[in-house]
This record gives sequence, C-alpha cells and structure tokens, in this order.
Amino acid sequence: DVKVTQSSRYLVKRTGEKVFLECVQDMDHENMFWYRQDPGLGLRLIYFSYDVKMKEKGDIPEGYSVSREKKERFSLILESASTNQTSMYLCASSSVTLGGQYEQYFGPGTRLTVT
Amino acid sequence: LAKTTQPISMDSYEGQEVNITCSHNNIATNDYITWYQQFPSQGPRFIIQGYKTKVTNEVASLFIPADRKSSTLSLPRVSLSDTAVYYCLGGRGAGNTPLVFGKGTRLSVIA
Repeated sequence: DVKVTQSSRYLVKRTGEKVFLECVQDMDHENMFWYRQDPGLGLRLIYFSYDVKMKEKGDIPEGYSVSREKKERFSLILESASTNQTSMYLCASSSVTLGGQYEQYFGPGTRLTVT
Repeated sequence: LAKTTQPISMDSYEGQEVNITCSHNNIATNDYITWYQQFPSQGPRFIIQGYKTKVTNEVASLFIPADRKSSTLSLPRVSLSDTAVYYCLGGRGAGNTPLVFGKGTRLSVIA
C-alpha cells in the first residue's frame, strides 16, 4: 500500500512563527504536492514538485515556500505564519504525469491553527 | 484558468443510484478526467478515471460524452458509507500546473 505520512495531525502556532510541515511518501513517486483545504473552497494547490530540488508554484503560493532535498520528502514552510493560514493542509504524491493519467495519493492532512 | 463545475451538494436515499455531473469545458486533448472521494478527516482518494465513453470499476462508473466537456460519476445503490465529498478533475491551472480540484459535491445518503 502507498503510504503518504504527514508529520502532525494537529498543530497550533502563533502569528509570526516559522512553521514546517513535513510530508514523506514511500512509493518512490516523482511528483509531490501541497494543498490547502478550506470550507467551501475545495482543495487549492500551493506548490508542487516534479523532481528533487525542483519546485513550481501552484494557484496560491503567496506566504509559503517548499523544499525537496530528497525524493521521498516534501516540506511546506510558512515563513511567518498568519491567522489567514489557519487551514487543513494536505500532501499528495503521484507517479509521472502522462496527460493527466495519474493517481494522487494523499496523506491524512495537518490541521493548522494560527492564533 | 481551466475550471470544473459540479453541484455543491446532493441528497439521496440508501439503495438509490446517484449521478453527479461535472462540466469541464476547457479540458485539454490529452488530459484524462478523474474523480476522487473524501471522507471527513481524511485525504481524498482516487475513485475512477477515464478518457472517453464509459469506464466501470468495483466502486463506480464514469460516463464521458464524445465532446468530453462533461462527465458523470455514477454510484450504484448507495449506502450510508458513501456519504462523502466527491471531486472532479478535468482541467489545469495556468502554465504547467497539474489537474485542478474543483469545490466538490457533498453527497449525503439518508437511511
């Protein structure tokens, strides 16, 4: 079974703190993704990566950065957390994209609260 | 920016067939149409994927007309455990972004 794990299920941070969300996959997938999910807005893509040390912006990258130093690990960084970054964060991985014919495997999510 | 449109919510009784339709007017020629299911407090999981006509697996069927501008997810004889949010993916964002999740359809199955 594909496993995508996220470092925390629940996280509470203060405004201005630097926050690291870690994601690890065990299927040797090339692609990894970070989404945030908010009520009524569905899943919105923050950043994604097609390979080690590569990253590309998704639809809402502002206020976030990412790091992919190893193939299995993709980190999301909130440089200075703000209350509007309170959300559910979901990590996913997939094998190589071929015309959209790929399946994303999701982690359980991290519910981040910024106070 | 390619978008998908699907109903916000649907209700159904147990045992009925449920059809959820999604429009994806700007789907690219090479892209597949994919549906995911999400239960509360879990990440989405892949249900079914297709390119055209009809695809069936043990969970659902997917109907795609010739113009591929829409698709219909069909869940046969739903049960309470099918209560979830269903997402259709059939378009990309700007540039080289992957397929975009829509806002999803919240299906509530009633006993």
